[in-house]
Amino acid sequence: DADVTQTPRNRITKTGKRIMLECSQTKGHDRMYWYRQDPGLGLRLIYYSFDVKDINKGEISDGYSVSRQAQAKFSLSLESAIPNQTALYFCATSAGSSYEQYFGPGTRLTVT
Amino acid sequence: EDQVTQSPEALRLQEGESSSLNCSYTVSGLRGLFWYRQDPGKGPEFLFTLYSAGEEKEKERLKATLTKKESFLHITAPKPEDSATYLCAVLTDSWGKLQFGAGTQVVVTP
Repeated sequence: DADVTQTPRNRITKTGKRIMLECSQTKGHDRMYWYRQDPGLGLRLIYYSFDVKDINKGEISDGYSVSRQAQAKFSLSLESAIPNQTALYFCATSAGSSYEQYFGPGTRLTVT
Repeated sequence: EDQVTQSPEALRLQEGESSSLNCSYTVSGLRGLFWYRQDPGKGPEFLFTLYSAGEEKEKERLKATLTKKESFLHITAPKPEDSATYLCAVLTDSWGKLQFGAGTQVVVTP
């Protein structure tokens, strides 16, 4: 079984809709991250969390919010989706003692 | 502002034709440099971490090296299964945030 899972894997939604992307991990890591990936721009950090009570904005947090429901679960929400949020979204985890990040399989989100 | 630049953007190789990918960086204080492999439709897969200039790491046909300004990923005698996008990322703070380059897409043909 995969250590980092993301649901859904694909989602098409309309402008203005609220959508939630979910991430779960069984690696026992305390740190979790959300990234988006766009062609030619690489991975950009949206939010990161070092534990359930510690959530921080990343490089491109506008238009997004997150919730850390438990050590193993980290959700990303788009309150009112817009077309330029069409992208691949990845969740990642790392242990506090190591900076290596391990990624989930991604969610392909299309906003029409 | 910290910057990470990868070159070339794309690389097409014949099977067995060795080559190198470049990751150059301008950061205020490098704490580590990471290489990842990403296959189409999948999440990045961790390959290596390098922490100081002069350090080298190897895995099968891949070898990563680090200088004070750049890192190279050498692919020796590549096979078609080495086709992927290779990403580098730098760690510049103690919080564990990584800044990624845009990647190099490698295609190895038989």
